[in-house]
Amino acid sequence: DVKVTQSSRYLVKRTGEKVFLECVQDMDHENMFWYRQDPGLGLRLIYFSYDVKMKEKGDIPEGYSVSREKKERFSLILESASTNQTSMYLCASQTVGGAGPETQYFGPGTRLLVL
Amino acid sequence: QKEVEQNSGPLSVPEGAIASLNCTYSDRGSQSFFWYRQYSGKSPELIMFIYSNGDKEDGRFTAQLNKASQYVSLLIRDSQPSDSATYLCAVGSSGGSYIPTFGRGTSLIVHP
Repeated sequence: DVKVTQSSRYLVKRTGEKVFLECVQDMDHENMFWYRQDPGLGLRLIYFSYDVKMKEKGDIPEGYSVSREKKERFSLILESASTNQTSMYLCASQTVGGAGPETQYFGPGTRLLVL
Repeated sequence: QKEVEQNSGPLSVPEGAIASLNCTYSDRGSQSFFWYRQYSGKSPELIMFIYSNGDKEDGRFTAQLNKASQYVSLLIRDSQPSDSATYLCAVGSSGGSYIPTFGRGTSLIVHP
């Protein structure tokens, strides 16, 4: 089974702090994604990566950056946390090519509260 | 802008009934379609995917795809209270980017 893990389930930070969220997948997937999910707004794509050191902006990249130094690890960084970044953050990995579908596999999520 | 539309619900059905969840999409070139289930406070998990027009069955779940109408649905037979969750429809990209577009989800409540 695909396993995607995230470094924290719950996190409380202060406004202005730098926040690191880490995601690790164990299936050698090429693509990795960071989403945030808020009530009524659904899943919104922040950034994605299709290879080591490669990254692309999603729909809402402002206030975030990412790092992918190893294939299995994709980090989301909040440079200076703000209260409007309080949300559930979901990481996903995805394999591409081959005969199967490009299914996304999600980590358990990190619920971040910024005070 | 690619769009995937779902009725937010809640859709309430009695235990044992058939629950019908619907999704429409705007990208006519999309080739892959996914249904995810998300329990409250948890992350989405894949239930089914479908590529071809028609029906695809897996246990109590049936996905139906009509590309001409740009419509995909999920039927849950013999609904159970444990099926109560939010169901997300996701549509694969036609442009080769592999980034799916998600609907906002339909909340399903199965009451005993």
